[in-house]
Amino acid sequence: EVLLVQSGAEVKRPGESLKISCKASGYTFTNSWISWVRQTPGKGLEWMGMIYPGDSDIRYSPSFEGQVTISADRSMNTAFLQWSSLTASDSAIYYCARRADSYDFWGQGTLVTVTS
Amino acid sequence: DIVMTQSPATLSVSPGERATLSCRASRDIGKNLAWYQQRPGQAPRLLINGAFTRASGVPARFSGSGSGTEFTLTISSLQPEDFAIYYCQQYNNWPPRHTFGQGTKLESK
Repeated sequence: EVLLVQSGAEVKRPGESLKISCKASGYTFTNSWISWVRQTPGKGLEWMGMIYPGDSDIRYSPSFEGQVTISADRSMNTAFLQWSSLTASDSAIYYCARRADSYDFWGQGTLVTVTS
Repeated sequence: DIVMTQSPATLSVSPGERATLSCRASRDIGKNLAWYQQRPGQAPRLLINGAFTRASGVPARFSGSGSGTEFTLTISSLQPEDFAIYYCQQYNNWPPRHTFGQGTKLESK
């Protein structure tokens, strides 16, 4: 059974750093792209970027390039999304999803709240 | 970037009736279109891939059609669990820009 299990909810201050994770199981981690998707009440679902763990090829949406870093650790079957300096506008639910053309399996989501 | 536009924003339909949801792409995406269902507090769930192929475990009452720029998701006989938000997504481009529509909320009339 394919599973994507994300790390838990986070509450952070503006300017802090953060790294959230997405642990994959039930398939060969290196053979499928993993994408990150942001969800906010105002903008709905936004595709942020994706990584191919097999060769660490990373593609970013222009809207998010330079704002976040996507990475993966093949030894841990885990993908990551990180920020070096959070702002209030980063408050959202973040999903990881496996890409097989479209996105067939999703993590449960990680709620990130940035508040002073 | 390709813009995905869904209509209507909200659709009110009675249980047992048919629901028809639309999605339009700003340019030709072939059949590279997916539909997702999202219930409150849950992650999106893949329903339809490749414009018309039901994902594993998806009931036959869900069907997708269309190609190019116009797409439709039809739910033939609404069940209580079908009232949710539905999103379309294109995955046509390379380099990738896998944009989503803004969603259609399907509510019980």
